Amino acid sequence: AQSVTQLGSHVSVSEGALVLLRCNYSSSVPPYLFWYVQYPNQGLQLLLKYTSAATLVKGINGFEAEFKKSETSFHLTKPSAHMSDAAEYFCAVSEASGSARQLTFGSGTQLTVLP
Amino acid sequence: DAGVTQSPTHLIKTRGQQVTLRCSPKSGHDTVSWYQQALGQGPQFIFQYYEEEERQRGNFPDRFSGHQFPNYSSELNVNALLLGDSALYLCASSLQTVGNTIYFGEGSWLTVV
Repeated sequence: AQSVTQLGSHVSVSEGALVLLRCNYSSSVPPYLFWYVQYPNQGLQLLLKYTSAATLVKGINGFEAEFKKSETSFHLTKPSAHMSDAAEYFCAVSEASGSARQLTFGSGTQLTVLP
Repeated sequence: DAGVTQSPTHLIKTRGQQVTLRCSPKSGHDTVSWYQQALGQGPQFIFQYYEEEERQRGNFPDRFSGHQFPNYSSELNVNALLLGDSALYLCASSLQTVGNTIYFGEGSWLTVV
């Protein structure tokens, strides 16, 4: 069984400040890990994914995440927040084996960017 | 290149009715999955279709059923609607090969009254 825990359902940062959204996972098999962003009344857009290559993954819009197996974490960061980053962010995990597997999502973190 | 398209975007149904939601996958994709996202929560996996067969299923009752057509498009059917079925229903498409990017549609908002 797999699970994802996102610490902090709401995070507020000032424009230009560091963004750090936390994600811890549980998986009995090697995982693939994903971060998705959801803007109001829209679907999910993939920010980045870890698929067992480099542990530091760079995504779109200046976001990156680091896979740390020892800490079972996959935290999302961005050096400087922009107003357009305000959205809901979801961390997700799937099994890294066999055919295409289902995604198990965390409960999400709402990011607010203050002017 | 069109992404994942879903219809309808919004609909309202009465408790006890049945609903059908439709999804066209991204061009070239052969696998379609459906997710339910209740307000304020993360998406939950309903089931996945590949080669016109249900391949995986999440923890949803038999009232939730689906179909995949030869052109890879898919339908999600929900019978005997309950108030708790009110949610955003997301369709996701991908290639069957593991590790490929999963793309989501904009979703269908279902309100049950």
